[in-house]
Amino acid sequence: GAVVSQHPSWVICKSGTSVKIECRSLDFQATTMFWYRQFPKQSLMLMATSNEGSKATYEQGVEKDKFLINHASLTLSTLTVTSAHPEDSSFYICSATFDSGDSYEQYFGPGTRLTVT
Amino acid sequence: GESVGLHLPTLSVQEGDNSIINCAYSNSASDYFIWYKQESGKGPQFIIDIRSNMDKRQGQRVTVLLNKTVKHLSLQIAATQPGDSAVYFCAENFANDYKLSFGAGTTVTVRA
Repeated sequence: GAVVSQHPSWVICKSGTSVKIECRSLDFQATTMFWYRQFPKQSLMLMATSNEGSKATYEQGVEKDKFLINHASLTLSTLTVTSAHPEDSSFYICSATFDSGDSYEQYFGPGTRLTVT
Repeated sequence: GESVGLHLPTLSVQEGDNSIINCAYSNSASDYFIWYKQESGKGPQFIIDIRSNMDKRQGQRVTVLLNKTVKHLSLQIAATQPGDSAVYFCAENFANDYKLSFGAGTTVTVRA
C-alpha cells in the first residue's frame, strides 16, 4: 500500500530557531501534498496545499513567511517553521494525494511532534 | 453505543457490541466523504469513503451511511474490538481539489 513518511518524528527546539520537517511519498508520485497542524484533543487543521514546482497555497490565517513550504519533487515536500515560538508547538501532519484517474486517495504521514522550549 | 460526533465527542462501547459514530458535515456541495481513524501519536488512517451519489457503502466490519438531506454521515463498526479504540474523524471534500475539511472527531473507548 501507499506509504507516506515524515522526518523527524519528533523534535525539540529552542525559541527563535527554525525547524524543517520532511514529508515523502515512498512508493508513489503525489499529485498534491498537504500540511496540517493538530493541537491536543483537537481536529486536523489544514495549513497549506503544496504542489511540485509551484508556490504553496496557504489557508486563511496561516502565515506563509513563518511556515515555509518547498515542494522539490513529486515525492518530497518540506515544511520549515521559522523563528519558532512555544505557541508553534503542535503535531504536524502531512498527506499526499494519489490520483489514479478514476478516483483519488489521500495518504497521511505519521506526524511530527514539535516542542518549542 | 452511539455518538453524535460534534456534540458528544466521546463514545464508550462494550467489546463485541456495534458502534455508531455520527458526523454532521458543513457543506451541501460536498461530494466526497471519508472516515479516518487516528490512534494516539499517529497520523490518520483511512477507513472507508463514500461519494455523494451513494447512500451506503460497506467494508470489512464497517459501514458508512450518507444522508444528504440532513447533511449527516455515520460510521458503523460491527463487533467492536479493543483495537478499535481511537479517535474517529469524518472529512469532506467539496471543491474536487483534494482538500479535506475535518470534523471535530469522536473518541471511541472499547470496554473489555
